[in-house]
Amino acid sequence: GENVEQHPSTLSVQEGDSAVIKCTYSDSASNYFPWYKQELGKRPQLIIDIRSNVGEKKDQRIAVTLNKTAKHFSLHITETQPEDSAVYFCAVLSGGSNYKLTFGKGTLLTVNP
Amino acid sequence: DSGVTQTPKHLITATGQRVTLRCSPRSGDLSVYWYQQSLDQGLQFLIQYYNGEERAKGNILERFSAQQFPDLHSELNLSSLELGDSALYFCASSVAGTDYEQYFGPGTRLTVT
Repeated sequence: GENVEQHPSTLSVQEGDSAVIKCTYSDSASNYFPWYKQELGKRPQLIIDIRSNVGEKKDQRIAVTLNKTAKHFSLHITETQPEDSAVYFCAVLSGGSNYKLTFGKGTLLTVNP
Repeated sequence: DSGVTQTPKHLITATGQRVTLRCSPRSGDLSVYWYQQSLDQGLQFLIQYYNGEERAKGNILERFSAQQFPDLHSELNLSSLELGDSALYFCASSVAGTDYEQYFGPGTRLTVT
């Protein structure tokens, strides 16, 4: 099955700095790569996603890049704010006959004011 | 608010018991996904239903079962509960006909004592 590795597991930045979280995956047939933000005790919230026919996607301070050849994708948050503090999960939608989202283990991002 | 609803919010029960978790998808969404989130296993896909039919299966134990009803709400049944089943259970729904853009409900926190 699909294997998703996410790094780093924790990340601490100063307010205004950028944060980058990286994920690698194993199934070359995977074609959809969402990122979720989860605050303590809350639901995972979809913040951005990218499909395999696109190399980069931006939404205000958030961007995702995808390298299908190397099988990795990254979340970039610029001008971080304290409210960006949360756990971020990458996920991969595998294809074949069993479509399912496989999640990374998560990155705890702390933005220090 | 994602539009996905789940009940109950919290559930405390004893080992060996059986519980039912309920989920209503967003209006217009035909797919319902169930996920389990625990500290040691992370966020794991359990099972998917699409318009009343089981479509994909993940790491779902034989003691667990689910169904989706004609009104598209879904129930996850957990039986012969063990301490290790204590976790957050989320359901999600997606844009009709695709597995993309899965929106999560608020979750049910299950505690088995």
